[in-house]
Amino acid sequence: DQQVKQNSPSLSVQEGRISILNCDYTNSMFDYFLWYKKYPAEGPTFLISISSIKDKNEDGRFTVFLNKSAKHLSLHIVPSQPGDSAVYFCAASETGGGADGLTFGKGTHLIIQP
Amino acid sequence: DVKVTQSSRYLVKRTGEKVFLECVQDMDHENMFWYRQDPGLGLRLIYFSYDVKMKEKGDIPEGYSVSREKKERFSLILESASTNQTSMYLCASSFRDRLYQPQHFGDGTRLSIL
Repeated sequence: DQQVKQNSPSLSVQEGRISILNCDYTNSMFDYFLWYKKYPAEGPTFLISISSIKDKNEDGRFTVFLNKSAKHLSLHIVPSQPGDSAVYFCAASETGGGADGLTFGKGTHLIIQP
Repeated sequence: DVKVTQSSRYLVKRTGEKVFLECVQDMDHENMFWYRQDPGLGLRLIYFSYDVKMKEKGDIPEGYSVSREKKERFSLILESASTNQTSMYLCASSFRDRLYQPQHFGDGTRLSIL
């Protein structure tokens, strides 16, 4: 049973436009959500996170939105740049990240077209 | 900057061998984790440890064991390697008592079992 779902295996966006990556979850006990970016042959790099008491968190070009009633979160990247081409993983924790491993989605491969 | 170092980037072993994967972190994190990443499956938690000599099973612990003798070091052991353990293995670490802090990952070990 997949608790964190990323339903788009890949997404192609033109350079300069907005990239929107989506993530759905089924476990209502999740209280901390994270986005990681991964290049081939490297480990995941932490991008941005949000706790369940917020509905939006912004960091430069990256914004994460959380809709608890829909059990949905999204990552917005504006403007998209060629270096953003990577696999993006959505992840979640039940304990604020302090006492459990993360549950990951299967990832979305973002391709930024010049 | 957080540094999580995995001892090998690439490793080739034979079926039936006992395999050790080593991970060291320099941030005085209490928590350490081992995940494996397979195409189309995302990252899955194998084991984690929240303190020296403590360990907890993750979602896929079968065929693996772990060792945490020192706070900064966490080892993953494949007792008798099999071809279905060919994968990318990722180590991560995080604080236990500070909520809403991300896990930080190493660059991974690409393990091939022949």
